[in-house]
Amino acid sequence: NAGVTQTPKFRVLKTGQSMTLLCAQDMNHEYMYWYRQDPGMGLRLIHYSVGEGTTAKGEVPDGYNVSRLKKQNFLLGLESAAPSQTSVYFCASSNTGELFFGEGSRLTVL
Amino acid sequence: SQQGEEDPQALSIQEGENATMNCSYKTSINNLQWYRQNSGRGLVHLILIRSNEREKHSGRLRVTLDTSKKSSSLLITASRAADTASYFCATEGFSGSARQLTFGSGTQLTVLP
Repeated sequence: NAGVTQTPKFRVLKTGQSMTLLCAQDMNHEYMYWYRQDPGMGLRLIHYSVGEGTTAKGEVPDGYNVSRLKKQNFLLGLESAAPSQTSVYFCASSNTGELFFGEGSRLTVL
Repeated sequence: SQQGEEDPQALSIQEGENATMNCSYKTSINNLQWYRQNSGRGLVHLILIRSNEREKHSGRLRVTLDTSKKSSSLLITASRAADTASYFCATEGFSGSARQLTFGSGTQLTVLP
């Protein structure tokens, strides 16, 4: 009964380092999303996928890349981290409109 | 850009009172959803109301939608301390095959025991 699982939950990076956040869902959902949440700004969509092998840009895609090689996994990559990418990142999946969220990954870039 | 904007930003009430949160949005929508987020946790879906619906109930929750005013309200009746959380509205527009939700900045609800 896992739902949406995000790893890692916490990470500290130095400016310029790279990393990948992994999102896994076990609900056979077609749609998957990556959002970032910053204080006072709600959630903003970074990238999303409408099915295996597809990705598309959201509202704030710059500095991020994504891949959806398997239906159950959606990876978010930071090639060269910047302090402005310090945030809490949420993955979500959906089939029918209602989004199911993971517990979040808190990233700090020094 | 924020599609939905919640009002108020923060709300503090006593246990047993009703809490009302409002959401306004800018463009036509397919549906509007409300989510709850407890501190340090992910968002949890509460209720979805479609553009052709005016009111919907789920337990102690009542959601209304006025598409002519581009606004929605969430009413939580007989509030409990466990209702303390941030509440977000999210709108789904018409964007082809993608089901994209745009979230507002949320209302922080505190229910005092």
